[in-house]
Amino acid sequence: EPEVTQTPSHQVTQMGQEVILRCVPISNHLYFYWYRQILGQKVEFLVSFYNNEISEKSEIFDDQFSVERPDGSNFTLKIRSTKLEDSAMYFCASSVGQFSGANVLTFGAGSRLTVL
Amino acid sequence: QKEVEQNSGPLSVPEGAIASLNCTYSDRGSQSFFWYRQYSGKSPELIMFIYSNGDKEDGRFTAQLNKASQYVSLLIRDSQPSDSATYLCAGAYQAGTALIFGKGTTLSVSS
Repeated sequence: EPEVTQTPSHQVTQMGQEVILRCVPISNHLYFYWYRQILGQKVEFLVSFYNNEISEKSEIFDDQFSVERPDGSNFTLKIRSTKLEDSAMYFCASSVGQFSGANVLTFGAGSRLTVL
Repeated sequence: QKEVEQNSGPLSVPEGAIASLNCTYSDRGSQSFFWYRQYSGKSPELIMFIYSNGDKEDGRFTAQLNKASQYVSLLIRDSQPSDSATYLCAGAYQAGTALIFGKGTTLSVSS
């Protein structure tokens, strides 16, 4: 079964450092998403990406965050200068984006970010 | 502000019973609703989605949607200990837009 692949599974970084989280969405999916989940809290939407541009973003997704699709398969989330409160599980997801089941998101296993 | 509300639980049911999970949403424009299951430390997995008012059944699971009341529910029949997890309700405005998740309801099924 097709799956969304995320790397790294766990990253520890010092406050102020830049972090890049990587994702390989399912190949025929058109929409890509980043969500985060702080320990014990709800899954929060960060950003969606379609046709090589951001289609929607939340208030959380400020200037410290950026997304990129550098090639035909990878989708990345960059945090420029990490803060303690960025510690969370970051989930990448993708969806077909059309027709019935358009919003059915398939999630990757997640990247746990720990900021010290 | 689009919000999805769930009772965090825990909801405890004995094995074989029916578990009923509920969710309300604030945005009347929301068109589609999703139930995901999340085991501790894992990513959300889709259980089922529903677009139309009424019931939708898939095996032991039944999703119910009432757009007039802005209410979504999930029934799990013949609950099993392996169903013990957090159940996330999510809504979306239209195709391709972000899913907005509730906090989730923790279900515990005792054998």
